[in-house]
Amino acid sequence: GQNIDQPTEMTATEGAIVQINCTYQTSGFNGLFWYQQHAGEAPTFLSYNVLDGLEEKGRFSSFLSRSKGYSYLLLKELQMKDSASYLCAVKDSNYQLIWGAGTKLIIKP
Amino acid sequence: NAGVTQTPKFRVLKTGQSMTLLCAQDMNHEYMYWYRQDPGMGLRLIHYSVGEGTTAKGEVPDGYNVSRLKKQNFLLGLESAAPSQTSVYFCASSYRGMGSGANVLTFGAGSRLTVL
Repeated sequence: GQNIDQPTEMTATEGAIVQINCTYQTSGFNGLFWYQQHAGEAPTFLSYNVLDGLEEKGRFSSFLSRSKGYSYLLLKELQMKDSASYLCAVKDSNYQLIWGAGTKLIIKP
Repeated sequence: NAGVTQTPKFRVLKTGQSMTLLCAQDMNHEYMYWYRQDPGMGLRLIHYSVGEGTTAKGEVPDGYNVSRLKKQNFLLGLESAAPSQTSVYFCASSYRGMGSGANVLTFGAGSRLTVL
């Protein structure tokens, strides 16, 4: 079966750095997405990785290792508005998106 | 610039009743999708459309029907609602198709459906 694993919940302090991990076992790989979802709102696109390595976009970076079936989202200089769920999704060999259950990130002052 | 608009935002149904969720997008996207989101689970694709007049089944299509009569609208119907269909439903659209690399999805705000 296909599986995406993320921690259910994480807590971090305002101004700090947090790393949210995502491991996947899918039938093939055609890219990995990270979305942010504030409570009661729509998911919004953060990043896309298809090649190994780090993609940096402002305070957010996303890393991919295809050989390890592993990605992480790195959030720097945390702000209270970063409190949200972070969804990892992998596109499999049939180009279907497989979604993780999401990681709820709680930021404390 | 509304993006993706879903109506209604909330609805309570009794078992066996029918209803339709409406999704409208103003971005001229070809591709549209209906997902459901349940606690502790990832988003699951119900049905999708690759263009006006076309629909296709996703991962969990049973109990749902869809129509795409106009490019900007994608309707999700429940003919006979069941408690297992209690969920938050998200519509999404994309400029590119699923086979086209980074096909970024733009989601609506969601419709929370409760079936008693």
